[in-house]
Parts: sequence; C-alpha cells; structure tokens
Amino acid sequence: GESVGLHLPTLSVQEGDNSIINCAYSNSASDYFIWYKQESGKGPQFIIDIRSNMDKRQGQRVTVLLNKTVKHLSLQIAATQPGDSAVYFCAEMVGGGSYIPTFGRGTSLIVHP
Amino acid sequence: GAGVSQSPSNKVTEKGKDVELRCDPISGHTALYWYRQSLGQGLEFLIYFQGNSAPDKSGLPSDRFSAERTGGSVSTLTIQRTQQEDSAVYLCASSPPGVEQYFGPGTRLTVT
Repeated sequence: GESVGLHLPTLSVQEGDNSIINCAYSNSASDYFIWYKQESGKGPQFIIDIRSNMDKRQGQRVTVLLNKTVKHLSLQIAATQPGDSAVYFCAEMVGGGSYIPTFGRGTSLIVHP
Repeated sequence: GAGVSQSPSNKVTEKGKDVELRCDPISGHTALYWYRQSLGQGLEFLIYFQGNSAPDKSGLPSDRFSAERTGGSVSTLTIQRTQQEDSAVYLCASSPPGVEQYFGPGTRLTVT
C-alpha cells in the first residue's frame, strides 16, 4: 500500500550545524506535505508545509524541499540549536476536502551543545 | 489563546474495562482528529470529524473503538473491553479549514 517513511531514524548534530531530515513518500496523488516536531511528552507541533506544485518553501530557520521525481521530501534546519532536539515527522495528505494525513515513523534529532 | 486540551493525561485500566478519553478542541476549529501513537512509532489515524458531516471512521481498528463529537466541539473517544494492545498515547488534534493541525498533549493509556 501507499506509505510515508523516513531514511534515518536518528540524527545527531552539533549545535550550530545545519540539519537535514529526509522523508520518502509513495502516493503520487498527495497534494500537501507537512513537517511536525514532537518534543518528549508533548503533542506534535506544525512546522511547515508545502504544496505539490512547489519544490521549495522557506520558514524561520527551516526549508522544505520537495522532489516529486523521486518522491522525496526533506527538512533543513539552519544553525541547529539544542531546543531543536525532538522527533520530526513528515506527513502527506491528499486534499479535496478530506484532510487526513498519513504520517511517517519519525526521525529523532539530537543536538549536542 | 487556549490550545487543544485532553483529559485525563494518564489512564491506567484493567484489561476488559471501558475507558473514555476527552478532547477539548480550539474554539472555532471545524475539524477534529483522533490518532494513536505507540512507543517509538508514528501517528496512526483513527477518526476524523468535519463540521456536521458524518465522521470518517476508516482508521478505527475494531468495533471496540468509537468516538463522538457533541455540538461540534468536545469529543470523546471510547474504548470498550480494553486489551493490552490498546496501550498507547491517544492524541487529539483540531484544525480550521486547511492543512495545519493543532495537537493536544495526549492521553497515555496503559492497560494492565
């Protein structure tokens, strides 16, 4: 069946480095791709989304890249900080009124001071 | 403003008992979702409410699971005859029309 998955379950970086979290998706009909951040003991928090008609979108210290040719999504975090340590989930969604996302398993980002 | 709240934050129950989990969404949000998250796993969709439309129950794992949303606001997820495999964190999210969802802190359910 269709699925969303992540390449790396754990990513360790040094404070100040740039982080790149990758995600593969398989549903070519997905209209939206979303990144969420989940800190320990909390619910996921929306970071950024990108529509399927775009290949790049920037937010505050984050950039999401979408490559529809290879069905790949990435989240880049600039100047990673200890507060960025969390589990990051990608999700895909087919629009058209029923906005039900399919989540990937998650990548744990560990930022070392 | 107030975010999504869930109660209880933790629930321990014996196998075979029924449990009710509550979600208070953000006021004015038309969509409400329930998810289940097992340890170290992603989010498993359970059910989706949108306005006055019939809920999308396609993610409910068995007929022991049910949910309702009263008055387009508060929602209750009920699990009957709980089993040990039901142990997980149950997350609720609400959303205005669109993509972004606002999650509550979750209810950690432990079935002994």
